[in-house]
Amino acid sequence: QLQLQESGPGLVKPSETLSLTCTVSGGSISSGNYWWTWVRRPPGQRLEWIGIINYSGRTYYNPSLKSRVVMSVDTSENQFSLNLRSLTAADTAVYYCARAVQVTASSLIEDWGQGTLVTVSS
Amino acid sequence: ENVLTQSPGTLSLSPGERATLSCRASQSISNNYLAWYQQKPGQVPRLLIYGASSRATGIPVRFSGSGSGTDFILTIGRLEPEDFAVYYCQQYGDSPYTFGQGTKLEIK
Repeated sequence: QLQLQESGPGLVKPSETLSLTCTVSGGSISSGNYWWTWVRRPPGQRLEWIGIINYSGRTYYNPSLKSRVVMSVDTSENQFSLNLRSLTAADTAVYYCARAVQVTASSLIEDWGQGTLVTVSS
Repeated sequence: ENVLTQSPGTLSLSPGERATLSCRASQSISNNYLAWYQQKPGQVPRLLIYGASSRATGIPVRFSGSGSGTDFILTIGRLEPEDFAVYYCQQYGDSPYTFGQGTKLEIK
């Protein structure tokens, strides 16, 4: 059974860079049919799609975050990562990693990690 | 981006009743790529419906989706106690993929 587990700091200072890793177990990150996704939910707000990456490193980012986001994949460790720089309090959120199945020219999120709360505060 | 608006914000019903949840998009959703997720406290979102009307693996038949273009409906035929949760719609037709704000289905 597929499991996704986020890891990273729970508290980050403003202006710093957030680095989160998602470890995938029960499935290979190298499967060509899947894309690996980050989604977040700020307190009291709706879920926000951050971006997506496939096993070869091809990425698509939300334009609202594109200037600050970098995603990467490590197939040897079966992990993918999110780097978000120039943090502000508005980046405080629960961050989820997820697996999305490719659907024609799109991708559908099927499986989610438990989520990790990241607070941006000095 | 395509803004999704769900209604009502909260729906109070009793077990055995029928629930109708709405999701309206600000723009037509390409290929009707609209999904519904269920989330219970302390749990991850669970995919219920994709492509507006296709049930995901293992989802009971009492869950059904309908609609096209900009207006979509999730119907739960006869509510079971385990169905009381928050429901989100999401469009994955055009990037950036976007989510509705959620409908909380609570026990009356």
